[in-house]
Order: sequence, then C-alpha cells, then structure tokens
Amino acid sequence: SQTIHQWPATLVQPVGSPLSLECTVEGTSNPNLYWYRQAAGRGLQLLFYSVGIGQISSEVPQNLSASRPQDRQFILSSKKLLLSDSGFYLCAWSMDTSYEQYFGPGTRLTVT
Amino acid sequence: GDSVTQMEGPVTLSEEAFLTINCTYTATGYPSLFWYVQYPGEGLQLLLKATKADDKGSNKGFEATYRKETTSFHLEKGSVQVSDSAVYFCASYLIQGAQKLVFGQGTRLTINP
Repeated sequence: SQTIHQWPATLVQPVGSPLSLECTVEGTSNPNLYWYRQAAGRGLQLLFYSVGIGQISSEVPQNLSASRPQDRQFILSSKKLLLSDSGFYLCAWSMDTSYEQYFGPGTRLTVT
Repeated sequence: GDSVTQMEGPVTLSEEAFLTINCTYTATGYPSLFWYVQYPGEGLQLLLKATKADDKGSNKGFEATYRKETTSFHLEKGSVQVSDSAVYFCASYLIQGAQKLVFGQGTRLTINP
C-alpha cells in the first residue's frame, strides 16, 4: 500500500531564516506531487505541483520554491521566511492516470 | 475559471441532527467532484466522490449526489455524531482543464453531545 510522509510535523522559525520541508511517498512510482498551504481558518492554496523529476509548476508567485530531486521526494524551501509564510503545509500525491489526491499529515509552520 | 463554493461555516449541530453542507461548482465541462474531510491537526482524507451526473457518492453514512442541472454536490448525513466534527472541503477536478483539484474554502462542523 502507498503511504506519504511529511517532516517535520511542527516547526517554529524566526523571520529571515531558511526553510526546508520534506515529503516522501512510498509504494508507488512516478506519482504527481503537490504542495498546498492552509492558512489559519482558511481553505487550501495550491503552491506547486510536479509531474516528474525536476519538473515543477508554480501556481502563485511567492517567497517559496519547490524541488523534486527524486521520483518520490518533494521538497519545499525558502531562503528567508516571512511572517506571512506561517500556516499548515500539506503534501499530496496522485497517480498519473487518476485524479484522486492523497494527503500527508501536514507540517505546521509558525514564523515568529 | 473553474471554482467551487461552499456554504460558510462554522456549522454547529447537536448529536443525531441532520446535516447538509452545500457545495456548488462552476466549470466549462463536467468535472469529477469530491468531498474531503480534515480532522483536527491532520491532513485531508477523501470522504466520497462522484464522476458523472446523477452519481451518488457515499461513505461513513455521508452521501452526496452530483446534480448537473443545479451544478451542485451537497453533502448530507442523516444523524451526525460528535466524531464527525471536522472541516469538510468540496473539490472538483476537470480532466480537460488544468488537471488539478479546485477546492472550496472549507466548512467547519462542530457536533455537540
């Protein structure tokens, strides 16, 4: 069966510090991968998605970047965090031929 | 562009009450429709789905029917439990479009004993 992992689960970082969030998927090959952000009390905003290694599409201009160094690894990064980067970050995957997305447990980021 | 609109929350009900959470969509074609649930502090879980008009998705006592004529996919449950307290998201996916899920803003549901 497939599983998706995210770490860390929680993170408190000062403004201006770098960020690296990791997402890995097990039990499948060549998944589509997604990063979402959920601000407190709000819906989901798609940040990035990837259909293959090294292929990243950005949905909104922002302070964040994404990379996919391996087939089942998706990384969300920032060089300098802003207060507005605080939120709940969710990684998701889907099969290339399917539209159902499966979500990880999320990372709660607080920028202070 | 494609969009999904949900009834605004929060919604508070007593245990065993009837639940309806409204969801409508706009799309240039015929999307697949989903309901996701997010329990406190967790990621989203797929609750149910429907892929064509008049399909009914169901799971854990929840139901939703794909209504093309009203472009709706309302979530219903006949008798809610305290454990149903969560945030519910309606979403659509159009294969002919950008091939990505479009989410509603979410509806927070609280069930009191």
